[in-house]
Amino acid sequence: GIQVEQSPPDLILQEGANSTLRCNFSDSVNNLQWFHQNPWGQLINLFYIPSGTKQNGRLSATTVATERYSLLYISSSQTTDSGVYFCAVAGQYSGAGSYQLTFGKGTKLSVIP
Amino acid sequence: EAQVTQNPRYLITVTGKKLTVTCSQNMNHEYMSWYRQDPGLGLRQIYYSMNVEVTDKGDVPEGYKVSRKEKRNFPLILESPSPNQTSLYFCASSLWGQSTDTQYFGPGTRLTVL
Repeated sequence: GIQVEQSPPDLILQEGANSTLRCNFSDSVNNLQWFHQNPWGQLINLFYIPSGTKQNGRLSATTVATERYSLLYISSSQTTDSGVYFCAVAGQYSGAGSYQLTFGKGTKLSVIP
Repeated sequence: EAQVTQNPRYLITVTGKKLTVTCSQNMNHEYMSWYRQDPGLGLRQIYYSMNVEVTDKGDVPEGYKVSRKEKRNFPLILESPSPNQTSLYFCASSLWGQSTDTQYFGPGTRLTVL
């Protein structure tokens, strides 16, 4: 199956700093989503971005499908950004019956005041 | 507000005592699924459902049952829970179940089986 690798595994930032999280995937994808898992365990949808660039406030994401990677940018980080960021993909050849997202292991972000 | 809801959010139970975790979505989605999240193993799919009365196994179905009698609801049933089913469970839904669909996740249910 498709492999998803995220880097870095851990990241500690001072409040106000910027960061870039990376997601590499091993095959063509139809679906790529970024999630934020907050300290209470909730998975929050950030972006659906199988290709191109999107922005939402201080967050933006870019996926270069031809090179099989995606980047999540966090600007002016806040303590509420802390948690684990997951990249999840569905392969281009996933049939509807086997549709599931394959998750990376995540990047644990800690933003300190 | 469009959302996926799960209940209960937290549950501590004992081995062998049947339990049900409910999942409901208000987005008229055809596709629903259950995942479990474990340290070091990530999120793994348990069961999924393409439509009412249509369900199928995911990667880790052993010890679980599901039913889909209505489009909006997709309960997860543990007939005889065991400690290795202690985990964080997520219900998810998407419009058609195609790989291009955005999946929306519920808030999670933290289950502890003693």
